[in-house]
Amino acid sequence: AQKVTQAQTEISVVEKEDVTLDCVYETRDTTYYLFWYKQPPSGELVFLIRRNSFDEQNEISGRYSWNFQKSTSSFNFTITASQVVDSAVYFCALNSGGSNYKLTFGKGTLLTVNP
Amino acid sequence: GAVVSQHPSRVICKSGTSVKIECRSLDFQATTMFWYRQFPKKSLMLMATSNEGSKATYEQGVEKDKFLINHASLTLSTLTVTSAHPEDSSFYICSAREFGGALLSPLHFGNGTRLTVT
Repeated sequence: AQKVTQAQTEISVVEKEDVTLDCVYETRDTTYYLFWYKQPPSGELVFLIRRNSFDEQNEISGRYSWNFQKSTSSFNFTITASQVVDSAVYFCALNSGGSNYKLTFGKGTLLTVNP
Repeated sequence: GAVVSQHPSRVICKSGTSVKIECRSLDFQATTMFWYRQFPKKSLMLMATSNEGSKATYEQGVEKDKFLINHASLTLSTLTVTSAHPEDSSFYICSAREFGGALLSPLHFGNGTRLTVT
């Protein structure tokens, strides 16, 4: 069975603060893929990043960065210098077990960035 | 980039009626599409996997006779909520994987459909 835990239900920060969203996953598979999606108030899911289990390199994309640590089964997401437009629900998701490509989502973290 | 179009974005229907939601891949072919349901302030729960040309695969606890899925072409999957009841009110989101896409290729999500059953 696979499971994704996002312990932070809601986070509120002031603009320009850095914020880290935590994600811990469980899977018995050695090959798996991790994702982060953003869901703004409009409802659509916006793909942010994918990472496979064999690539532990951290990644930076503009103000976004991700820290993947297999030793702790974590895939945390940091937003640097947050902006009001970053306000959204962020989901961490896991796919493992082969080609059917089903995603298991965490419960999401609601990030509110206040001006 | 790849786009998934979901229609309608919002629908209000009376209890007992049926509602059809369409999910289209606009610039790619998708042999597999996924239907998710999201309750307010909750995560996305996979309902079923829609396979082009064959029967859908439903997750445990999802009533296949209530949530009818048809994937008649490589670009269209439909979800029909039959005999809808107020408890079916929810946000439904479809997603699609590009045919022949690598395992690393991400799922593309539609914009979702807000269903309200009165």
